[in-house]
Amino acid sequence: DQQVKQNSPSLSVQEGRISILNCDYTNSMFDYFLWYKKYPAEGPTFLISISSIKDKNEDGRFTVFLNKSAKHLSLHIVPSQPGDSAVYFCAASKFSGGYNKLIFGAGTRLAVHP
Amino acid sequence: DAGVIQSPRHEVTEMGQEVTLRCKPISGHNSLFWYRQTMMRGLELLIYFNNNVPIDDSGMPEDRFSAKMPNASFSTLKIQPSEPRDSAVYFCASNRQGLVPSKYYEQYFGPGTRLTVT
Repeated sequence: DQQVKQNSPSLSVQEGRISILNCDYTNSMFDYFLWYKKYPAEGPTFLISISSIKDKNEDGRFTVFLNKSAKHLSLHIVPSQPGDSAVYFCAASKFSGGYNKLIFGAGTRLAVHP
Repeated sequence: DAGVIQSPRHEVTEMGQEVTLRCKPISGHNSLFWYRQTMMRGLELLIYFNNNVPIDDSGMPEDRFSAKMPNASFSTLKIQPSEPRDSAVYFCASNRQGLVPSKYYEQYFGPGTRLTVT
């Protein structure tokens, strides 16, 4: 039972265009959402997050949108750059057993080509 | 500042052998997580330690898997006996869980150990 789903395993975008990565979740108790970025042979690194009380958070070229009624969040990268090529993991956090547990999606591989 | 350190980076072993993965969390962090990454299931949490005590091991697949944290700077994940379906990348992550239990504190990941069981 996957509580966090990234239905697109891969995405290809031209440099300079917008990249939109999507994520759906099933548990309405999630209170915090995050995106992690992962390059080959490295561990995931934190990119951007959003609290469930907000619907948008922006950090430079990266914006995360949250639609709680649809249980959907998305990551927008504008403009996309070749260095953005990586695997992006969506994650949701819920307080459980005394700590915040992260539930990850399967990831979306983004390729930004010139 | 050194990040989370994992060893070995790659491990190839035969089915039935014992495998031990090692992790050194960031100094000062009091929480440690072991994750497994597979193509089908993405990143799955296996076990979580806080102040060296296992808090949640509900993600450990079966009794063949065990994890220990003898002190604040070292943890091991052991698989005995290993099977081909254990082949995956195993990540260790750490953070400093603060005074507010329900607040999210960013997790920092190590580079991972790629395990191949033949």
